Amino acid sequence: LAKTTQPISMDSYEGQEVNITCSHNNIATNDYITWYQQFPSQGPRFIIQGYKTKVTNEVASLFIPADRKSSTLSLPRVSLSDTAVYYCLVGFSNSGYALNFGKGTSLLVTP
Amino acid sequence: DGGITQSPKYLFRKEGQNVTLSCEQNLNHDAMYWYRQDPGQGLRLIYYSQIVNDFQKGDIAEGYSVSREKKESFPLTVTSAQKNPTAFYLCASSTPTGFSNQPQHFGDGTRLSIL
Repeated sequence: LAKTTQPISMDSYEGQEVNITCSHNNIATNDYITWYQQFPSQGPRFIIQGYKTKVTNEVASLFIPADRKSSTLSLPRVSLSDTAVYYCLVGFSNSGYALNFGKGTSLLVTP
Repeated sequence: DGGITQSPKYLFRKEGQNVTLSCEQNLNHDAMYWYRQDPGQGLRLIYYSQIVNDFQKGDIAEGYSVSREKKESFPLTVTSAQKNPTAFYLCASSTPTGFSNQPQHFGDGTRLSIL
């Protein structure tokens, strides 16, 4: 099983870039790295996914080194509305579809 | 709009009662999942179903039961055997491909409390 480790919490000011790093030392060959965002009393929402190198979309970038044993979610110029819990997931390719959500990283953005 | 609908948003259960949480999706997804989230914690998998009439236990299935008679519906019953049912319950769906690159789509959850 690909276990992930990420910081429990992070603080940032509005307008700054935030980087959240996730470790996944025993990632399997077929596993993708996926990040979700969750606001209080809502379900998690998909942010970004990657397999290797760098992926960018309209809300975030994902950096994955060549060994794939870690990944970094980068949120450019955060706003107060980015205050949420961010989960890093690595899929269980053996079981097919089940995902392991850890405790995530609680990001607090202040003015 | 396509999505996942969970109902009710809030649910109260008396001691010894079974309650059923509804989850419906119109995304035409084959796979559906139930998670439990306790305050300040991550999500823990209760049950998942890859196809109609088939489902598998997750990490914390004891005290819960599910059915998958229709592709779009995956109800979860919290039985009286679940001694600590107070939690936030989340339903999700995805398109299974045998690999881990299909994101899950989540509903907005049902908050269950004990009276």
